[in-house]
Amino acid sequence: SQTIHQWPATLVQPVGSPLSLECTVEGTSNPNLYWYRQAAGRGLQLLFYSVGIGQISSEVPQNLSASRPQDRQFILSSKKLLLSDSSFYLCAWSALAAPYNEQFFGPGTRLTVL
Amino acid sequence: AQTVTQSQPEMSVQEAETVTLSCTYDTSESDYYLFWYKQPPSRQMILVIRQEAYKQQNATENRFSVNFQKAAKSFSLKISDSQLGDAAMYFCAYRSQSGVEKLTFGTGTRLTIIP
Repeated sequence: SQTIHQWPATLVQPVGSPLSLECTVEGTSNPNLYWYRQAAGRGLQLLFYSVGIGQISSEVPQNLSASRPQDRQFILSSKKLLLSDSSFYLCAWSALAAPYNEQFFGPGTRLTVL
Repeated sequence: AQTVTQSQPEMSVQEAETVTLSCTYDTSESDYYLFWYKQPPSRQMILVIRQEAYKQQNATENRFSVNFQKAAKSFSLKISDSQLGDAAMYFCAYRSQSGVEKLTFGTGTRLTIIP
């Protein structure tokens, strides 16, 4: 069966520090991968998606970037964190050619920028 | 661009009763998918039910069912025999059939189950 992992689960970082959040998927090949952000009490906002290694599309211009160095690895990064980057970050995957292409989510990372 | 609206920020229901969560969406497309996700306090997003727009029959998954009204662009979720474990945030989501399968989410409805 497929599983998706995210780490760390929680992170507290000072303003201006770098960020690296990692997401990995097991049990599938060539997944579509997604990074979402969820503000407290709000819905999810798509940040980035990837349909293959090295292929990244950005939905919202911001202080963050994403990379996909391996087929099942998706990384969310920042060179200098802002207070406004504090949020809950979710990674998701979907399978190509699946009937509904529904997305399956990881457990998330709670990021606090101080 | 597609939008998804959930007009009920909070709902509550007595245990074992039935509750309906509302969702409307706006799109110019004819083929698409709709989903309901549940987010319990752990914040893990869990897929509850899905519906293809071209299917007239409403989807059902055990105690969960939808009322899909394509012309009205409405996609409500009915939870029957509510259980304490159903307490969560519920998000309605839209996905276009064409292009990348990105989801557009509503703002969510917080469901409370009263024992």
